[in-house]
Amino acid sequence: KAGVTQTPRYLIKTRGQQVTLSCSPISGHRSVSWYQQTPGQGLQFLFEYFSETQRNKGNFPGRFSGRQFSNSRSEMNVSTLELGDSALYLCASSSLPGTGSTGELFFGEGSRLTVL
Amino acid sequence: EDQVTQSPEALRLQEGESSSLNCSYTVSGLRGLFWYRQDPGKGPEFLFTLYSAGEEKEKERLKATLTKKESFLHITAPKPEDSATYLCAVQAGDDKIIFGKGTRLHILP
Repeated sequence: KAGVTQTPRYLIKTRGQQVTLSCSPISGHRSVSWYQQTPGQGLQFLFEYFSETQRNKGNFPGRFSGRQFSNSRSEMNVSTLELGDSALYLCASSSLPGTGSTGELFFGEGSRLTVL
Repeated sequence: EDQVTQSPEALRLQEGESSSLNCSYTVSGLRGLFWYRQDPGKGPEFLFTLYSAGEEKEKERLKATLTKKESFLHITAPKPEDSATYLCAVQAGDDKIIFGKGTRLHILP
């Protein structure tokens, strides 16, 4: 069973640009969550999608957006990049909303974004 | 405000030296508390879910416990391969999952 796949794994952008990250969940999983991980703030929740609908959203500015497609694949977009957006962006999937019945989220290996 | 605090930030132990990691939390309507392990360059890997005070879960050298204010991850006779960052997270009543900043554990052979 394939795990959660995130692309690209690494990318470098400059301030003011925008970026789109992709996440393919485990087959059959309909919930996808996105997290930002930095050394100073740790893992912070961005948003969660279930069956193409945003269920929950963290405290990030509107420059951060996402969507989910009918095949459960998800993308997140960050516009007008700032230096502080440099981070590891992690995607996690589960079969049910939130953490499902077991509390288990399956994480990808992340997309490491560097903003220069 | 819902919050998760982990201590210590970093811990170095000799192989075989048992210890505990702490996760204290303030959350409205706790739905579950989770422990994850994260290796460098990887995404977090699920370890345990605890739902109510008094609950305990075990897996190999790890044992997680839960009270109304905190959770402990006990590591018994650790081995170098137990070296990782251990993350604690809670699921609040609004379904959001809040992570602590983690404890970096280093086991020396």
